[in-house]
Amino acid sequence: DGGITQSPKYLFRKEGQNVTLSCEQNLNHDAMYWYRQDPGQGLRLIYYSQIVNDFQKGDIAEGYSVSREKKESFPLTVTSAQKNPTAFYLCASSSHRTPLTQYFGPGTRLTVL
Amino acid sequence: QQQVKQSPQSLIVQKGGISIINCAYENTAFDYFPWYQQFPGKGPALLIAIRPDVSEKKEGRFTISFNKSAKQFSLHIMDSQPGDSATYFCAASKKMLPDGQAGTALIFGKGTTLSVSS
Repeated sequence: DGGITQSPKYLFRKEGQNVTLSCEQNLNHDAMYWYRQDPGQGLRLIYYSQIVNDFQKGDIAEGYSVSREKKESFPLTVTSAQKNPTAFYLCASSSHRTPLTQYFGPGTRLTVL
Repeated sequence: QQQVKQSPQSLIVQKGGISIINCAYENTAFDYFPWYQQFPGKGPALLIAIRPDVSEKKEGRFTISFNKSAKQFSLHIMDSQPGDSATYFCAASKKMLPDGQAGTALIFGKGTTLSVSS
């Protein structure tokens, strides 16, 4: 089964804690992305990565960090510096051949208690 | 200039009716305009997309109309069905790297929640 998996589906975090969201794809896609979705706000780009060991900040990178050590994996860490982390987080990927088509994972809903 | 403005925020349509969602943009550098469909608790899925050199694209009951001079594009869902009830996002792409590089950033509208009543 090809696709993008995100885990966990639901995540609860206490204030002041860092938490890492997993994103894995077996589509052999080159580029991967993290978006944040808030009610009525659409999707906003947090970070993106074109190739392994390289990534760039998106529009709302403050309080987040990423790594891209493997082509198939792009984990997102929500740090304690992120002031309002409760949101729905979506990972996406695209291939070099069709770079404009992004495929999304099922998302992780993070709630800060 | 990087925004994509989407309207309406919510839409209720009778079964069999036509659903119309509109989007507008400012940045003339945008070169690809996809629409995504999202069901509750799921990730968005690409529905249909258009390039600015085409004024209309149709796939089944879904049609994109594109007006380059007005910098507007819209999604029309013909014969709307209860199964079409979802949130729809328009988007526009901007290139992040020169041609040949993978990936492009998508700027999303804020979404339209469509409810099709039976």
